Amino acid sequence: ETGVTQTPRHLVMGMTNKKSLKCEQHLGHNAMYWYKQSAKKPLELMFVYNFKEQTENNSVPSRFSPECPNSSHLFLHLHTLQPEDSALYLCASSQDPPGSGEKLFFGSGTQLSVL
Amino acid sequence: ELKVEQNPLFLSMQEGKNYTIYCNYSTTSDRLYWYRQDPGKSLESLFVLLSNGAVKQEGRLMASLDTKARLSTLHITAAVHDLSATYFCAVLSNFGNEKLTFGTGTRLTIIP
Repeated sequence: ETGVTQTPRHLVMGMTNKKSLKCEQHLGHNAMYWYKQSAKKPLELMFVYNFKEQTENNSVPSRFSPECPNSSHLFLHLHTLQPEDSALYLCASSQDPPGSGEKLFFGSGTQLSVL
Repeated sequence: ELKVEQNPLFLSMQEGKNYTIYCNYSTTSDRLYWYRQDPGKSLESLFVLLSNGAVKQEGRLMASLDTKARLSTLHITAAVHDLSATYFCAVLSNFGNEKLTFGTGTRLTIIP
């Protein structure tokens, strides 16, 4: 248990559905991240939040909408997804952004399948 | 754009043998991370390397960083089955943003 909890663990959704992924960290960290892990591709950074403010949006399509209401919670709202969006979505947190040498603590991920 | 390449992508090795995983990256960086991922589980931080010549060891794993060669190695000594996992290196560019770029991973299988 890394102190970063993601729900749900698995999600199947149609292309017209709206769903949300949730991440909660119990570590008192200030930075939170969304990563996408697709088969045979490197982990892709999607969003970075530092002290609840979005500091990085890695050219992610608008069908993915992040929300960070406080330093402990991070959401990823999904709507009108495409089958190629099927992947493992990983949330991570760190005390400070990685530029200071902080390591990331990852959640177990949400395995998303878009039909 | 920073590119991070790992090799090999797949590695099967016998217990008791030594081997090295390589991580090359394309732009200046002195901050490199190694992570481990077991199937169906989250990534676990192994090492953080923050300067040229940095070497860190834990158990049978040793990581090093050569910033001039833009190369990090993860050396496995006398492998045991428990080390079977996928290993990722990740690099933070020296130029401004906080984007950590991951390699594609090396899937390591230790055969008894």
